[in-house]
Amino acid sequence: EPEVTQTPSHQVTQMGQEVILRCVPISNHLYFYWYRQILGQKVEFLVSFYNNEISEKSEIFDDQFSVERPDGSNFTLKIRSTKLEDSAMYFCASGGDTGELFFGEGSRLTVL
Amino acid sequence: RKEVEQDPGPFNVPEGATVAFNCTYSNSASQSFFWYRQDCRKEPKLLMSVYSSGNEDGRFTAQLNRASQYISLLIRDSKLSDSATYLCVVNADSNYQLIWGAGTKLIIKP
Repeated sequence: EPEVTQTPSHQVTQMGQEVILRCVPISNHLYFYWYRQILGQKVEFLVSFYNNEISEKSEIFDDQFSVERPDGSNFTLKIRSTKLEDSAMYFCASGGDTGELFFGEGSRLTVL
Repeated sequence: RKEVEQDPGPFNVPEGATVAFNCTYSNSASQSFFWYRQDCRKEPKLLMSVYSSGNEDGRFTAQLNRASQYISLLIRDSKLSDSATYLCVVNADSNYQLIWGAGTKLIIKP
């Protein structure tokens, strides 16, 4: 069964460092998303990506964040100059036209 | 008013009981509705889409009430493994962005 895969599963970084989280969406999906979930809190939308460009982004997704789909398979989230409050689980998701999303298992980011 | 609102719970329910959750949404133009399930420290997983006519999948029934702008999820004969957080998701005006409720925590007790 096709699935969304994410790497790394857990990353620990120092405040101020750059982090890249990687995702391989399901191959025939057209819409790609990043969400985050701070421990104990709700799932928060960060950004959606369609047709090789950002289609929507939330207030959380400021200049510190960027996304890329460099090679037609990977979908990356870059966080520049990480802050303590960036510590969270970051979920990648992909979907087709139905609106149903399929999530990866997440990348846990810990900023020290 | 929050765009998608759910009772956070927790709902403590004995095994075998029937439990129902509601979720209200504010955007009357929303067209797509979903229930996701999230286990502790795991990713959300699609439980079921919610169709205008309502739909059933085994012990789970989802219904949409457009007039009152809410969707519901009914779980019959609850199992211990149903313990999770149930997330209500509604699309915004665009097809790209889905609005997530904060989730309802369900605890099934033996």
